[in-house]
Amino acid sequence: NAGVTQTPKFRILKIGQSMTLQCTQDMNHNYMYWYRQDPGMGLKLIYYSVGAGITDKGEVPNGYNVSRSTTEDFPLRLELAAPSQTSVYFCASSQAGGKETQYFGPGTRLLVL
Amino acid sequence: ILNVEQSPQSLHVQEGDSTNFTCSFPSSNFYALHWYRWETAKSPEALFVMTLNGDEKKKGRISATLNTKEGYSYLYIKGSQPEDSATYLCAFKPAGNNRKLIWGLGTSLAVNP
Repeated sequence: NAGVTQTPKFRILKIGQSMTLQCTQDMNHNYMYWYRQDPGMGLKLIYYSVGAGITDKGEVPNGYNVSRSTTEDFPLRLELAAPSQTSVYFCASSQAGGKETQYFGPGTRLLVL
Repeated sequence: ILNVEQSPQSLHVQEGDSTNFTCSFPSSNFYALHWYRWETAKSPEALFVMTLNGDEKKKGRISATLNTKEGYSYLYIKGSQPEDSATYLCAFKPAGNNRKLIWGLGTSLAVNP
């Protein structure tokens, strides 16, 4: 029972490089989310999606892009990595919004040097 | 601006102590209140989703209450154990089309054996 999986677990990027953080869920959830977690700052929503083909910005979308071509996958793209994007990134999914529990992936730790 | 506040920020208790902490949220436009448990180096896991004023939920030694009229929820842990050490997050969902949860910064609990 995989739930929400994320790859990679850890990555070091140089400033200006790009990368894609992968997120897949096998629970047939409609809603998917990307958060970042910085020390002392709590969870900040980057982007979310309410279904395939539909995405929307969260609180801190600048420097990121997402796509949702399938129900299962919700990749997060960093185009020009900056030190400010050093963080732990969590993907989550839920059946719907509001009352539904969000299920989190294990996280991706990203270091931009 | 909708804000969720949690107190205390951190807490140290001895094994066997009972403890509680608070989540404060806007009392108007309430839809749901979530509690999550987040262990170090892991991802958040759902504890409760509460929707009705006066709701009480229980899972083992952990319970929660909800007061939507005054905008607060309490989380109680009875007879704390070292394995209860974690950050406890609450998240508020306002009514309306906004599909996003508003997260608190969490209460960090350390239980000393």
